Amino acid sequence: QQQVKQSPQSLIVQKGGISIINCAYENTAFDYFPWYQQFPGKGPALLIAIRPDVSEKKEGRFTISFNKSAKQFSLHIMDSQPGDSATYFCAASRTNAGKSTFGDGTTLTVKP
Amino acid sequence: DTEVTQTPKHLVMGMTNKKSLKCEQHMGHRAMYWYKQKAKKPPELMFVYSYEKLSINESVPSRFSPECPNSSLLNLHLHALQPEDSALYLCASSPRTILHYGYTFGSGTRLTVV
Repeated sequence: QQQVKQSPQSLIVQKGGISIINCAYENTAFDYFPWYQQFPGKGPALLIAIRPDVSEKKEGRFTISFNKSAKQFSLHIMDSQPGDSATYFCAASRTNAGKSTFGDGTTLTVKP
Repeated sequence: DTEVTQTPKHLVMGMTNKKSLKCEQHMGHRAMYWYKQKAKKPPELMFVYSYEKLSINESVPSRFSPECPNSSLLNLHLHALQPEDSALYLCASSPRTILHYGYTFGSGTRLTVV
């Protein structure tokens, strides 16, 4: 049973547009929700993360929106750039679990 | 130093070979992880070391043998692998296994088993 469902699987956005990637989780014990960005041939890199006591977190062009009652969170990339083209993974973990559960990933392509 | 360094970057090995993957971090992180990633898939947890002790083994076949010689180093010993073990092997670290800090991943070792 997949605990974190991510959508869409792939996304194509024009330069300057807004990219939106969604994740839904099932385990209400999760209390940390990071997003990772992975370029081809590289390991994932932590992009931004949120905890359930906050509904939104913004870092530059990247924003996480969190809806605790719906058990959903999303990544918004404002003013998307070709350099943002990568695979994005959402994840969820709970304190002391020692590991994260990853979504299946979204391949983002930003067209110039 | 804010990096996790993995060596080698690429490895081709036969099914009867023995090889080792190495991972090093100097961030003072006390939790280290091995992940396996297949193409277009998320990372899949293999092992977790917390304060140099193995704390999680995700039912990984014994042909994969982890080792944590000290708080900065993590090895993955490989023996009698199968072609389906070909993948990107990622090492990661975090300050503790309390994951409110996220992982720092290395760039991985691209392993091909022939």
